[in-house]
Amino acid sequence: DIQMTQSPSSLSASVGDRVTITCRTSPSINTNLNWYQQKPGRAPKLLIYGASDLQSGVPSRFSGSGSGTDFTLSISGLQPEDSATYYCQQSYNTPLTFGQGTKVEIK
Amino acid sequence: QVQLQQSGPGLLKPSQTLSLTCAISGDRVSTNNVGWNWIRQSPSRGLEWLGRTYYRSRWFFDYAVSMKSRISINPDTSRNQFSLQLNSVTPEDTAVYYCARDPGGAPVEWGQGTLVTVSS
Repeated sequence: DIQMTQSPSSLSASVGDRVTITCRTSPSINTNLNWYQQKPGRAPKLLIYGASDLQSGVPSRFSGSGSGTDFTLSISGLQPEDSATYYCQQSYNTPLTFGQGTKVEIK
Repeated sequence: QVQLQQSGPGLLKPSQTLSLTCAISGDRVSTNNVGWNWIRQSPSRGLEWLGRTYYRSRWFFDYAVSMKSRISINPDTSRNQFSLQLNSVTPEDTAVYYCARDPGGAPVEWGQGTLVTVSS
């Protein structure tokens, strides 16, 4: 199975800050990496697919980058509604695997 | 717009069979190359992919190795839905279960989630 290591596990930032979350995979997965946002009691919501493509309807303050084994999700200009847990997920092969999650809190 | 609606019991006793259904609107379960997944989430295991089915001239099934002896995912073209069956459940199978549609790489649309509790 492809291993996913996400960091940090949690962070606290202020409205307007730029936030970066990292996901590392073993082995390489090209750009088959997706990012999800999950709020309590809700299903995960796709933000970024193919490492850097913004899903339709997702605000442009969300962006993704990376390839191979190292990926990042950035939120530029953090908003109160961005308080959530974020997960990376690989779609390179099955079993699909997810990172452990990063909980983002607003100060 | 694709929507997925889950149904099924939320409370099971150990050794029973978990059965959940995911009804599809806005797409067909038999659409070529669209994956129909089951994923669960628990505090101890996080998000865990269980398996999927997809149609590409015939039906294909992929299952997590850890589930392979207990799991079955079945498409139902007449009702436009797909189902999950997990046999011989234990308390470790307690989780929120999601169905999800994957049009090519990333699960995009998800069901609302069903909390399944296994307890004697």
